Amino acid sequence: SQTIHQWPATLVQPVGSPLSLECTVEGTSNPNLYWYRQAAGRGLQLLFYSVGIGQISSEVPQNLSASRPQDRQFILSSKKLLLSDSGFYLCASGQGSYEQYFGPGTRLTVT
Amino acid sequence: KNQVEQSPQSLIILEGKNCTLQCNYTVSPFSNLRWYKQDTGRGPVSLTIMTFSENTKSNGRYTATLDADTKQSSLHITASQLSDSASYICVVSARSGGGADGLTFGKGTHLIIQP
Repeated sequence: SQTIHQWPATLVQPVGSPLSLECTVEGTSNPNLYWYRQAAGRGLQLLFYSVGIGQISSEVPQNLSASRPQDRQFILSSKKLLLSDSGFYLCASGQGSYEQYFGPGTRLTVT
Repeated sequence: KNQVEQSPQSLIILEGKNCTLQCNYTVSPFSNLRWYKQDTGRGPVSLTIMTFSENTKSNGRYTATLDADTKQSSLHITASQLSDSASYICVVSARSGGGADGLTFGKGTHLIIQP
């Protein structure tokens, strides 16, 4: 089975500061990779997905961006954080539409 | 619009009791339905995944059912334990050729098991 690593586990950043969250995957090759955000009391919102190196699709417009520099590495970034960017960020890996594995998540608080 | 509705929003039961969580969906065309368990501050972990032809699937004390005609699913937890306290998320996948896999997430049921 796959193992998803995310870091950092928690992060407190001031408004206007940059952001970089990293996700790496073990136990598979050429996976589909996803970034989700989960706000308190709400469901998971798909932010970005990638079907291969350098291929990024955005699901919602926002001040976040994603990159996939390697097959099993997925990075979520921002140049300037907003208060509304606070939330729980989850990276996921999957092959096709049958199964999806989630990482442990990063708790981001923008102050 | 594809939607997944879960009920109840939250539930409190005593340790050792059984409970059933509900999931109604309007996702089309249907591919599969998954139940995840998410502990507080952790990523979701898959419990079961069912395709159109599967009516029931079990994973230990967790049993999921699927009625594709009425577009309803339930997750039954038997002899609950304190460790079952978590959010349970229903996710429905639409048949899609795109990389997003057409997933629609429910908002989850927050389950609390009391000793």
